[in-house]
Amino acid sequence: DAKTTQPNSMESNEEEPVHLPCNHSTISGTDYIHWYRQLPSQGPEYVIHGLTSNVNNRMASLAIAEDRKSSTLILHRATLRDAAVYYCIPRRNTGTASKLTFGTGTRLQVTL
Amino acid sequence: GAGVSQSPRYKVAKRGQDVALRCDPISGHVSLFWYQQALGQGPEFLTYFQNEAQLDKSGLPSDRFFAERPEGSVSTLKIQRTQQEDSAVYLCASSQNRDRVYEQYFGPGTRLTVT
Repeated sequence: DAKTTQPNSMESNEEEPVHLPCNHSTISGTDYIHWYRQLPSQGPEYVIHGLTSNVNNRMASLAIAEDRKSSTLILHRATLRDAAVYYCIPRRNTGTASKLTFGTGTRLQVTL
Repeated sequence: GAGVSQSPRYKVAKRGQDVALRCDPISGHVSLFWYQQALGQGPEFLTYFQNEAQLDKSGLPSDRFFAERPEGSVSTLKIQRTQQEDSAVYLCASSQNRDRVYEQYFGPGTRLTVT
């Protein structure tokens, strides 16, 4: 599995954009980049994924570097409910469900 | 619809006791995963089922850990002769195999404390 590096923690003010970086320099060409987040006392939840192109969904945007060695999860307007640990997970598309390899993630604090 | 449910939510066991943790996946989800999450760490993979078949148990830390999914739906993770190092949150996740994303849906976890 590709190794990932994320900052341990980040802070944001409510209603401001947040950019959460992830380095995955050993990612293989066929690995997708998945992001999950874990709110306090809950199980992780899927946020977004991508391969090469930037991606948008209702929760967030994912910007992937051209060389795919890094990516950035973008929350356009952070709210208090976005306070969580965010995990960046390279994941092989094996054609079937595969395990997730979590790192330690980035703990995002959102303040008023 | 209903998500993944786990029971009990909290379990306290004395060292040496056996425990059984239950997972009810989302109906129709073929794949089921168990993860272990120590305090302050990310979840770590334990084992994976596709229907009733246990296809990967490489993450089980010792032969005291045993998982089953006999009818391809509900799964039970059993830990025999619990030790203090088994204290953790045990997470269950399920996934359907019909799309390319294979998003995993997690339950709330069972917090196991071994005293």
